[in-house]
Amino acid sequence: GAVVSQHPSWVICKSGTSVKIECRSLDFQATTMFWYRQFPKQSLMLMATSNEGSKATYEQGVEKDKFLINHASLTLSTLTVTSAHPEDSSFYICSASLAVLTDTQYFGPGTRLTVL
Amino acid sequence: SQKIEQNSEALNIQEGKTATLTCNYTNYSPAYLQWYRQDPGRGPVFLLLIRENEKEKRKERLKVTFDTTLKQSLFHITASQPADSATYLCALAPNDYKLSFGAGTTVTVRA
Repeated sequence: GAVVSQHPSWVICKSGTSVKIECRSLDFQATTMFWYRQFPKQSLMLMATSNEGSKATYEQGVEKDKFLINHASLTLSTLTVTSAHPEDSSFYICSASLAVLTDTQYFGPGTRLTVL
Repeated sequence: SQKIEQNSEALNIQEGKTATLTCNYTNYSPAYLQWYRQDPGRGPVFLLLIRENEKEKRKERLKVTFDTTLKQSLFHITASQPADSATYLCALAPNDYKLSFGAGTTVTVRA
């Protein structure tokens, strides 16, 4: 149980285009979802936290207008990278938890974004 | 500033030996600490969680210790196997649900 999927698993796009990444909890309802970014050989960095039906909370230094997060249902959150540039190329990973303030997060398999 | 440091970037060991990984932290007061496994191009997979009032936790061939005085956690893989080859991440949650990760230690187990 507690499976999280991401789609697509990889995407290549041209500079200036927008890319949407989906994160789904397959067998549970996720009150809270998290979005992380990981550059090669670096740690996962939390970008934002989203709760179903409310606005996402962004970490310091993350541009909310560039990384749009929508948590429309208890099983789906989307991250849209708007006007992507080569420096946005990274590995984006989502995670989901069953309840707010819970210690267990279930991670998705990640999405590799390459911006040309 | 807050830091999470994992002792080495890479660890190479012989099959059957014990791998010991270190996670040190500064300027955190974590309620718990977690260890994850990450394979190349994949998301992290949860392994173990240890709380601030626990000294040791075991799961099959894995053992974690947590010393809040030293601000350190040790992660042991006993009787290591080539299938244990991966990057292992420690993560802290300082009294809320947000996780801060270390950069990871890549373990390679030679047959």
